[in-house]
Amino acid sequence: NAGVTQTPKFQVLKTGQSMTLQCAQDMNHEYMSWYRQDPGMGLRLIHYSVGAGITDQGEVPNGYNVSRSTTEDFPLRLLSAAPSQTSVYFCASSYSGTSGNTIYFGEGSWLTVV
Amino acid sequence: AQTVTQSQPEMSVQEAETVTLSCTYDTSESDYYLFWYKQPPSRQMILVIRQEAYKQQNATENRFSVNFQKAAKSFSLKISDSQLGDAAMYFCAYRSVPYDMRFGAGTRLTVKP
Repeated sequence: NAGVTQTPKFQVLKTGQSMTLQCAQDMNHEYMSWYRQDPGMGLRLIHYSVGAGITDQGEVPNGYNVSRSTTEDFPLRLLSAAPSQTSVYFCASSYSGTSGNTIYFGEGSWLTVV
Repeated sequence: AQTVTQSQPEMSVQEAETVTLSCTYDTSESDYYLFWYKQPPSRQMILVIRQEAYKQQNATENRFSVNFQKAAKSFSLKISDSQLGDAAMYFCAYRSVPYDMRFGAGTRLTVKP
């Protein structure tokens, strides 16, 4: 079972560079989201999608863009990387419906901006 | 906005003993879910236990149980018969809408042999 797959797992960027973190799920989940995890903090929601063609901002959206052209994929784009975006990024997905539905997390992407 | 607070940055327990991790949350919602996640050094997020707010009965999963006090907005995790493999970061999380999970800052649990 592939579940939620994130690539790349590790990335070093220079300030001002752009990149895309890829996320794919094979469970036909309607909901997908991106979180970031910083030292001493829990995961914080960046952007989320409730279905193909529908995205919205979470708690910390600045500096990131997303799109959802298919049910399976939900890429996260950094247009001009900044050192403050050094973090571990998690993609997650779940079925729609109640808030009790299990969220499935990817294994995380470690991003360092120098 | 909903907030989740874990007041214990670090906890330690002797192998085979019992430890309780604390969590409080703030919300005006009446219908929500609470979760405990385990994050080992690999950083994988592993669901430990889930509690529905409308259920008075505390959730239990093998050696893991919760003490859910809705009026006090408290949701603690008890780990019985602690094992070396329980060592990890533990995150308390709250969810009232399906697409937004709010996490506490985490508690690092050390298990001593």
